Amino acid sequence: SQTIHQWPATLVQPVGSPLSLECTVEGTSNPNLYWYRQAAGRGLQLLFYSVGIGQISSEVPQNLSASRPQDRQFILSSKKLLLSDSGFYLCAWSENSYNQPQHFGDGTRLSIL
Amino acid sequence: EDQVTQSPEALRLQEGESSSLNCSYTVSGLRGLFWYRQDPGKGPEFLFTLYSAGEEKEKERLKATLTKKESFLHITAPKPEDSATYLCAVRGYGNNRLAFGKGNQVVVIP
Repeated sequence: SQTIHQWPATLVQPVGSPLSLECTVEGTSNPNLYWYRQAAGRGLQLLFYSVGIGQISSEVPQNLSASRPQDRQFILSSKKLLLSDSGFYLCAWSENSYNQPQHFGDGTRLSIL
Repeated sequence: EDQVTQSPEALRLQEGESSSLNCSYTVSGLRGLFWYRQDPGKGPEFLFTLYSAGEEKEKERLKATLTKKESFLHITAPKPEDSATYLCAVRGYGNNRLAFGKGNQVVVIP
């Protein structure tokens, strides 16, 4: 069966510091991969998605970037964190075929001080 | 732009008191409507996919239905372990992205 791993579960970072969140998927190949941010009362906001290695689509212009160095690895990064980057970050995957549901990891709670 | 509105935002139920959650959507050609359950501090857990009006899916005490404008998630005789936030999302034609609602927060009191 397929599993998705995200780490770390929680992270406290100072303003201006860099960020790297990692997500890996097991048990499938060539998945679609997604990064979301969830803010209280605002629902899930899609940040990036990828349909293959090195292929990244950005949904919202911002202080963040994403990379997919391997088939089942998705990384969310920032060079300098802002206070507004605080939130709950979720990685998700779906089969790379017609209309499959997305499956989520357990998220990273990021607090910026 | 695909949009999803969920109501009510929050709901408190007595154990055994059945109720329904509403998900209203606007989309340019529905490819799929998805229901998820999310527990505090966790990622959403996939429940159902509905593809066309009239379709129904069931899982334990949950039943999801779909019309051309909305979906309902019926919770029959809920138990405290059904307490969670339920998220609805849609995907429209030509879209690889899901549009999520803000969720229905359900608390079931013993």
